Amino acid sequence: SQQGEEDPQALSIQEGENATMNCSYKTSINNLQWYRQNSGRGLVHLILIRSNEREKHSGRLRVTLDTSKKSSSLLITASRAADTASYFCATDPLTQGGSEKLVFGKGMKLTVNP
Amino acid sequence: EPEVTQTPSHQVTQMGQEVILRCVPISNHLYFYWYRQILGQKVEFLVSFYNNEISEKSEIFDDQFSVERPDGSNFTLKIRSTKLEDSAMYFCASRDSVYNEQFFGPGTRLTVL
Repeated sequence: SQQGEEDPQALSIQEGENATMNCSYKTSINNLQWYRQNSGRGLVHLILIRSNEREKHSGRLRVTLDTSKKSSSLLITASRAADTASYFCATDPLTQGGSEKLVFGKGMKLTVNP
Repeated sequence: EPEVTQTPSHQVTQMGQEVILRCVPISNHLYFYWYRQILGQKVEFLVSFYNNEISEKSEIFDDQFSVERPDGSNFTLKIRSTKLEDSAMYFCASRDSVYNEQFFGPGTRLTVL
């Protein structure tokens, strides 16, 4: 089973629309982080939500976390063509003596059409 | 804004050769990581490093891999004898001791021929 599975795998929307990406995970976590990756480039940190938080905002981003369902969602409002990228959720599993390594999902490709 | 840097951006090597990938983490960060991403696949954890020693490593991080912090700024990943399947994008990341956000470098694309 995979920790951090994004859903849908790909999403294509028009500029100005909202984009919602979902992430499910298997184990208990310390926190969950969302990253963006433009094609062939590095990972850009978007937002972190801790296990005791339910919702967090940053600019046009809204992240929710439901630890009972082991799921998170990332909402991008008023999307722009520049938001076109792959988006990954990454969990920091709750392990004793762990090093806070991140476990990534497969990613979701968002295309925002102008 | 401080950022993680990595060199080179692209490394091409022959199978069996040694490569060293270099990273300069954010200066006040204490925890360092290497991840890799094989083309089209997800990002995988390789190793974490704190207080001058490995704190955790994955199954991928076998005896062919090693990490070092040779001075106060660099963090390196060495692959002793590269294999074809080592071809991937390698990312370095760092974080401080207070916040859990990991900040990633732009990556080194390693191509093993």
